[in-house]
Amino acid sequence: DSGVTQTPKHLITATGQRVTLRCSPRSGDLSVYWYQQSLDQGLQFLIQYYNGEERAKGNILERFSAQQFPDLHSELNLSSLELGDSALYFCASSIYGGALGDEQYFGPGTRLTVT
Amino acid sequence: KNQVEQSPQSLIILEGKNCTLQCNYTVSPFSNLRWYKQDTGRGPVSLTIMTFSENTKSNGRYTATLDADTKQSSLHITASQLSDSASYICVVSASKTGANNLFFGTGTRLTVIP
Repeated sequence: DSGVTQTPKHLITATGQRVTLRCSPRSGDLSVYWYQQSLDQGLQFLIQYYNGEERAKGNILERFSAQQFPDLHSELNLSSLELGDSALYFCASSIYGGALGDEQYFGPGTRLTVT
Repeated sequence: KNQVEQSPQSLIILEGKNCTLQCNYTVSPFSNLRWYKQDTGRGPVSLTIMTFSENTKSNGRYTATLDADTKQSSLHITASQLSDSASYICVVSASKTGANNLFFGTGTRLTVIP
């Protein structure tokens, strides 16, 4: 158990809908990262937050947004969902902001299925 | 272009045998290289992390090597077990802060059969 929690575990929704994925980092970690992993694909970095502020942005679509709250938990919002958004969404956390050697600990993931 | 390539894409071995997974990268400037193990449907778990000055690091039956000159790394698994069946991901970090300096390989899918 990495100490990172994600809810829900599974989510099934229809195209055009909007969903929110939640992540609670390990106690003491200030950074949260979101990743997407489509079937048989590698991990794609979406976005990073550090202590409440956006720190780095990867291949995140404009339909997606995220935020980190004062208690350091984070939410990833996916809107106008398309079939291609079906994937595993992972959250990871680390102590610092991605500095050299900063270890990331991954949560169990949320499996999103868009029908 | 910063890239991480892993080979083979998939591998099937008998329980008890050894195997070696490869990772070649073109990431620059290099900071560190990590190997993760990802069980199906679960989050990746770190196995090793190596910096420029390290060329070997072990974690139980897992031994990673790094040749920073040729930009190659390998992960050697000794006396494989059924529980080693997973994807193994190589991640290379460039010398900058921020997560957008991480470059992921697509992984090697290892299947250990009895």
